[in-house]
Amino acid sequence: QSALTQPASVSGSPGQSITISCTGTSSDVGYYNYVSWYQQHPDKAPKLMMCDVSKRPSGVSNRFSGSKSGNTASLTISGLQVEDEADYYCSSYTTSGTLVFGGGTKLTVL
Amino acid sequence: QVQLVQSGAEVKNPGASVKVSCKASGYTFTNYAIHWVRQAPGQRLEWMGWTYAANGKTRFSEEFQGRVTITSDTSATTAYMELSSLRSEDTAVYYCARDTTGWFGYYDYWGQGTLVTVSS
Repeated sequence: QSALTQPASVSGSPGQSITISCTGTSSDVGYYNYVSWYQQHPDKAPKLMMCDVSKRPSGVSNRFSGSKSGNTASLTISGLQVEDEADYYCSSYTTSGTLVFGGGTKLTVL
Repeated sequence: QVQLVQSGAEVKNPGASVKVSCKASGYTFTNYAIHWVRQAPGQRLEWMGWTYAANGKTRFSEEFQGRVTITSDTSATTAYMELSSLRSEDTAVYYCARDTTGWFGYYDYWGQGTLVTVSS
């Protein structure tokens, strides 16, 4: 199972909005709405930020939103804050009954 | 409170096996699947597989078929991941994580990670 495709890096200034894409295939992102997003700060375990494409777990800021079109899911962060600087990973359930992560995107808040 | 506490760091020779444990507490162990995810230094997250203690079922990534064994001990509320035929590329931090859904990959709690170093 190949990794989902994410941009290696994105950047933005405080207060701006950014979007991170996550492209899979018709056997994963395109087939199910079981897409999730994780935020990972250096040397920390990942934190669940989005599930079921666009549902925020309790405690996650409403500045984070998710969407999907075809084989591509997206995570949008609005009103960027310095503490949003981290690595972000998407994940999808697959038709094989397995899971696949994206390659990860490093978000820099300038 | 929910906690997943993993065993300590390991250093192994190429060709050896490693077994990492994940002790769960603060919730009913058999109600949730435990997944294993690894991350090589500076690299992406990589899903390895899951075990569901309620029925003993497991599922693995094809990347690790034949090399990984994932088990759970309900009496000890502990999950285990054993990886065999280790090679240098297996050097990584190995995480266990609790899946709120069973197998869709929505992890609400993670272990602290176990660094496995494969080196001669």
